Amino acid sequence: NAGVMQNPRHLVRRRGQEARLRCSPMKGHSHVYWYRQLPEEGLKFMVYLQKENIIDESGMPKERFSAEFPKEGPSILRIQQVVRGDSAAYFCASSLSAVTQETQYFGPGTRLLVL
Amino acid sequence: QKEVEQNSGPLSVPEGAIASLNCTYSDRGSQSFFWYRQYSGKSPELIMFIYSNGDKEDGRFTAQLNKASQYVSLLIRDSQPSDSATYLCAADNTDKLIFGTGTRLQVFP
Repeated sequence: NAGVMQNPRHLVRRRGQEARLRCSPMKGHSHVYWYRQLPEEGLKFMVYLQKENIIDESGMPKERFSAEFPKEGPSILRIQQVVRGDSAAYFCASSLSAVTQETQYFGPGTRLLVL
Repeated sequence: QKEVEQNSGPLSVPEGAIASLNCTYSDRGSQSFFWYRQYSGKSPELIMFIYSNGDKEDGRFTAQLNKASQYVSLLIRDSQPSDSATYLCAADNTDKLIFGTGTRLQVFP
């Protein structure tokens, strides 16, 4: 039973380029969460999605960041015109149902480095 | 601003001792609490979750919850060097988890 998968594991971009991060949830999970972890800091919630719907994007920066979870295929976190401050580890988690009373399982993360 | 607070450490304990990790949270509406372990450069790995006041034991780990004091703790008995990692406490907030910054645990032989 495959866990949460993320790709790429490492991504290097130059300032101004686009970064596209992918997340495939655990089999049977329809709830996906994206978190960002800056060096030496905790995990910060970014966005919560269910299939074809954004449920909560309160942690998402208002500009340059977007997320989707289409009916078919992985969830995508897109960062346009990346800046050095976007360098971080981006983790995706999935759960069977909403987070209260239900565990989130994390993927291996994508380490984004902006040069 | 809903917050989860942890002492960043490092907490150093000798092998075989009990390590005690603590966490406080600000949102009285939080119902579920989670402890994750994160090795350097790796993703968080769930250790335990707790919903009810009191203690919950799983092997060498015991989670404790006191909702009146808004306090969660994790005890690790018979600590091993392989337990050396950062331990993240998280509380649910409506539809997401709020994480503390983590406590770094060092277990020395």
